[in-house]
Amino acid sequence: AQSVTQLDSHVSVSEGTPVLLRCNYSSSYSPSLFWYVQHPNKGLQLLLKYTSAATLVKGINGFEAEFKKSETSFHLTKPSAHMSDAAEYFCVVSASSRGYQKVTFGTGTKLQVIP
Amino acid sequence: GAGVSQTPSNKVTEKGKYVELRCDPISGHTALYWYRQSLGQGPEFLIYFQGTGAADDSGLPNDRFFAVRPEGSVSTLKIQRTERGDSAVYLCASSLNMLAGVPDTQYFGPGTRLTVL
Repeated sequence: AQSVTQLDSHVSVSEGTPVLLRCNYSSSYSPSLFWYVQHPNKGLQLLLKYTSAATLVKGINGFEAEFKKSETSFHLTKPSAHMSDAAEYFCVVSASSRGYQKVTFGTGTKLQVIP
Repeated sequence: GAGVSQTPSNKVTEKGKYVELRCDPISGHTALYWYRQSLGQGPEFLIYFQGTGAADDSGLPNDRFFAVRPEGSVSTLKIQRTERGDSAVYLCASSLNMLAGVPDTQYFGPGTRLTVL
């Protein structure tokens, strides 16, 4: 069994300030973890992924996330928010089970960036 | 190269009708997934194909939903006797393969917005 909890449904930051989007997961297997971004009326785009290599993962557009097994967390951060970062962000856990991939999405965090 | 494409982009139908939604994955991708995203929710897993076979269909909500991928490429999601609650965006994703048990990145299509009146 696996699950993903995104702790905040909405996050609001001022432009130029840091972004923190929180994600906790549970999985019976060694999971891979992903962050996807969805801009309004656009498809889901991969930001970054963790697949048991380095625990600090760098993604596109200045985002990064740190895998912390002890805390079962995979929080997404960015040092300085840009207006174009306003979107919905999804944390995803994926694990292989019986030879195939089980994927679970979180409920999403809507990021608002205030000018 | 071309990404995942889905047709139609929008589909409006009446309650009780049958609909088919099509997904063209990235060429060479053996894994294909269908998700349903309701307003304000995250994508909800429906079914996963590895090649031509449905490896996991545990997310299909009931027997009105069915999906096929006869040649291991294009997939069609079929919904019979549609209900208003089926209204959502249906997303398709594909991935290259699962290498040595490590889940691969999924690439998503733009989705089909289904509205059941």
